[in-house]
Amino acid sequence: EAQVTQNPRYLITVTGKKLTVTCSQNMNHEYMSWYRQDPGLGLRQIYYSMNVEVTDKGDVPEGYKVSRKEKRNFPLILESPSPNQTSLYFCASSLRQFSGANVLTFGAGSRLTVL
Amino acid sequence: AQKITQTQPGMFVQEKEAVTLDCTYDTSDPSYGLFWYKQPSSGEMIFLIYQGSYDQQNATEGRYSLNFQKARKSANLVISASQLGDSAMYFCAMREFPLTSGTYKYIFGTGTRLKVLA
Repeated sequence: EAQVTQNPRYLITVTGKKLTVTCSQNMNHEYMSWYRQDPGLGLRQIYYSMNVEVTDKGDVPEGYKVSRKEKRNFPLILESPSPNQTSLYFCASSLRQFSGANVLTFGAGSRLTVL
Repeated sequence: AQKITQTQPGMFVQEKEAVTLDCTYDTSDPSYGLFWYKQPSSGEMIFLIYQGSYDQQNATEGRYSLNFQKARKSANLVISASQLGDSAMYFCAMREFPLTSGTYKYIFGTGTRLKVLA
């Protein structure tokens, strides 16, 4: 089944304890991206990657890191989480084409709480 | 800078009636794509419909249609014959195709929560 898999789905952590949210896709998509969803703010793009070893900042990159060493994986790293990073996080992927729909396929989401 | 605006935080519609969810966008790029996604209470993001900036016809997918008015920069979603299962959060999104940078981002609106009444 074509899918984007995120782990963990739920996580409660404490301020300053480094954590990684993994994201893996099995569709051979070049484009991968991370979003956070907060009430009243919709989804905001954190980082995106056009291909292996190519990453770029989205609109809210502060406090996050990413890497794209393999095509299928795009982990999101919070080096020193803070309470304002409490949110619902989505990973998504798509083909990388400069025309056409390129529909994003989303993971199920990861709900993170930072105490 | 690109921007998506959804001015309706919440809406109600009677079952079997049609409903329009508003979306306006702002971009300086002539080439872009517009999307609508549905997020039910279970949380997953479901793609509904896509409209390209150069598409001549309004997009349709089953009960969903996109009322694309390019000059007004609006891309409203129309759901016909609403069903109870349509109750969800709906997000409008845009992606530009910048010719110079070779990269692109997605921008989402703040969403409209639709409640279908029996």
